[in-house]
Amino acid sequence: TQLLEQSPQFLSIQEGENLTVYCNSSSVFSSLQWYRQEPGEGPVLLVTVVTGGEVKKLKRLTFQFGDARKDSSLHITAAQPGDTGLYLCAEIRMGAQKLVFGQGTRLTINP
Amino acid sequence: DSGVTQTPKHLITATGQRVTLRCSPRSGDLSVYWYQQSLDQGLQFLIHYYNGEERAKGNILERFSAQQFPDLHSELNLSSLELGDSALYFCASSVAGDRGRYYGYTFGSGTRLTVV
Repeated sequence: TQLLEQSPQFLSIQEGENLTVYCNSSSVFSSLQWYRQEPGEGPVLLVTVVTGGEVKKLKRLTFQFGDARKDSSLHITAAQPGDTGLYLCAEIRMGAQKLVFGQGTRLTINP
Repeated sequence: DSGVTQTPKHLITATGQRVTLRCSPRSGDLSVYWYQQSLDQGLQFLIHYYNGEERAKGNILERFSAQQFPDLHSELNLSSLELGDSALYFCASSVAGDRGRYYGYTFGSGTRLTVV
């Protein structure tokens, strides 16, 4: 069974710092999505990456898909308190019949 | 508002009881997915319905069942409830088939179930 491993599990940093969180798999991803979840709400899609080596930017967030499509990273520049949340990577499996999530990285940005 | 509506938002019930959680997908989405989120297990896929038909099953207990109706809303039925069933239950919807790979899933705000 392919597992999605996210690291670190918890991260607490000061406002203005940069950070990177990771998502790794034991085998090749077909495609990968990153979601952010805030307390009391459902996950919200941030980005989808499909091609090995792909880099996508969303304001201060940079998403990278590994060349071999077995890993992905999310880098946040100059973190702000509004970035606080649970960051989840997810892979669509079985011909888009289900989305499988990693355990997430719980990020706290302190003012 | 994501466009996916879940009711109720909160539910407190006793062990052994049965509850029904309801989900209305985003307009135009034919696929509905149910997930369970607990602190120690993360987001666990339960079941996927597409246009009224079951398409995929995850680690869904036999005490749990779901269906999708002709108007595309879905219900998740949980019976013989146990303390360990306390969790957040999310519904998500997506555009049809493989396009969900690119457009992602839209989640509702969830139902928080507490079994006492």
